[in-house]
Amino acid sequence: SQTIHQWPATLVQPVGSPLSLECTVEGTSNPNLYWYRQAAGRGLQLLFYSVGIGQISSEVPQNLSASRPQDRQFILSSKKLLLSDSGFYLCAWSVLPPGAETQYFGPGTRLLVL
Amino acid sequence: KQEVTQIPAALSVPEGENLVLNCSFTDSAIYNLQWFRQDPGKGLTSLLLIQSSQREQTSGRLNASLDKSSGRSTLYIAASQPGDSATYLCAVSPTGGFKTIFGAGTRLFVKA
Repeated sequence: SQTIHQWPATLVQPVGSPLSLECTVEGTSNPNLYWYRQAAGRGLQLLFYSVGIGQISSEVPQNLSASRPQDRQFILSSKKLLLSDSGFYLCAWSVLPPGAETQYFGPGTRLLVL
Repeated sequence: KQEVTQIPAALSVPEGENLVLNCSFTDSAIYNLQWFRQDPGKGLTSLLLIQSSQREQTSGRLNASLDKSSGRSTLYIAASQPGDSATYLCAVSPTGGFKTIFGAGTRLFVKA
């Protein structure tokens, strides 16, 4: 069966520090991978998606970047965190685009920037 | 630009009550609509997915309907239980695209 992991589960970082969040998927090959951010009381906002190794699409201009160094690994990074980067970050995967099937979500990483 | 709205934002009901959660979207050109459940501090779990050609889907005590022409979907929960307490999110996806649009969710609390 397929599983998706995210770490760390919780992170507290000072403003201006770097960030690296990792997501890995097991049990499937060549998945589509997604990074979402969820602010308190708001819906999920798609940040990045990837259809293959090294292929990254950005949905919103921001302080963050994403990379996919391996087929089932998706990394969210920042060189200098801002207060506004605080939120709940969710990774997801699907085999087909979300218009054709559902996405499967990881447990999330809660980031607090102070 | 697609926008998804969920009403109410929060709902508290006694155990055993039947309830309806509402979702509306502004652009009817969707490929599917999904309902997700999110427990506090956790990821999302897919509950029901309705293709644009369908009008409803059922899973156990859950029934979701879709009226694409009016831009509305409802999630009906029968005989609610305390374990149903969670946030329920509605999401619409475009044809073949990757940008799923989520509503802000309805936070449900079922009192024992």
